[in-house]
This record gives sequence, structure tokens and C-alpha cells, in this order.
Amino acid sequence: EDKVVQSPLSLVVHEGDTVTLNCSYEVTNFRSLLWYKQEKKAPTFLFMLTSSGIEKKSGRLSSILDKKELFSILNITATQTGDSAIYLCAVAFLSGNTPLVFGKGTRLSVIA
Amino acid sequence: SQTIHQWPATLVQPVGSPLSLECTVEGTSNPNLYWYRQAAGRGLQLLFYSVGIGQISSEVPQNLSASRPQDRQFILSSKKLLLSDSGFYLCAWSEGLGGYTFGSGTRLTVV
Repeated sequence: EDKVVQSPLSLVVHEGDTVTLNCSYEVTNFRSLLWYKQEKKAPTFLFMLTSSGIEKKSGRLSSILDKKELFSILNITATQTGDSAIYLCAVAFLSGNTPLVFGKGTRLSVIA
Repeated sequence: SQTIHQWPATLVQPVGSPLSLECTVEGTSNPNLYWYRQAAGRGLQLLFYSVGIGQISSEVPQNLSASRPQDRQFILSSKKLLLSDSGFYLCAWSEGLGGYTFGSGTRLTVV
């Protein structure tokens, strides 16, 4: 059975802290790993990672994939209260018609 | 540009009543469509997906059903709601090997 495991499940930090969110996976026919941010309603896309060792960066957020050890991390530096959200990791498969498998998410709370 | 509409945003329904949630996509043809449910504090559970009109795959046996009467319309239904059907329902679409775009969700409370 395909599995995507995120840790920690929840995290509380102070503004300005740096956080690292983890996502490990055990799947067959892996194609890519995706990160989403969910505030109140719809998850919004952050990154898609297909190749090992290549960091993707957007502002204070960055992510990297390790296809040998089967995990990805999402880093957020200098956190702000607006970063408070659920961060979801998902795995996509070689067949574009196979649905993504999501982890349970990490709930991040950033306090002032 | 592509947009996805999902309604209603919130719904409070009594146990045993029927349900119909609708999702439509604009600006694309033959999208893959998905219904997910998110219980409080948990991840996304895939309920149904569709790769074409009239083609529905069910991931979890339950009292819900889905239909795709038109290319860009996806409907989630139930004949009789249970308390356990409460949750946040998300519709999404994808095209080819791209990621998903989600609707704004429906928060369903069964009382």
C-alpha cells in the first residue's frame, strides 16, 4: 500500500524561527512529490519536486527531495504569523490518471 | 484561465437527509476530477475520481456516490447522510501530469 507520512503532525513556533517539515514516502511508480499550503479553505500549490538534490525556493520557503532515502523537507525561514497553516505533502505517480496520495499534514502555528 | 467553482461553502444537514455537492471547472477540457474529504485535523482522503464523462472510480466504500454528467461537472451525492459524513469536502481538477487545483471547499455538518 502506498504511504506518505508527515512529521511532526503539529508545531508551534515564534515569529522569526526557522522550521523544517518532513515528508517520507513508500510508493511504487513514484513520479514527483508536491507540497501544498492550506490556510482556511483550498490548499494552494507550493512546490513540485521530481529530481533528487535540487532545491526549489520561493521567498522564505524552500524544499528538497531525496529519492534514495525517500523523503522531502520543507524549510521556512524567518517565520511570520501568515505562515500559520496546514502544510500537505503529496506523491504523484507515473500514470497521470492515478490520484495523488496525501499525507496527514503538519499544522504549523506561528505566534507573535 | 482555468477556474474551479464549488458550492455551497457551508451546509448543515440532518441525519438521514440527502446531499448534493456540485463542482464545475471552466477553461479546460477533459480534466481529471476528484472529491476529497478532510476530517478535522487530518489529511485529505480521496473519495472519488473521474478521468472522463460517466467514468467514476471509488476509493472508499461508504454511503456517498459521485457522478460526472458533463465534462466539467462533478457531483457528490448521498441518499441518507450519517453523522460520520461531517467534514470538509474538497473538489479538485488536474490535467495531464500537473498538480491539482482545488475548489474552495464545502464544510458539511450533519446534525
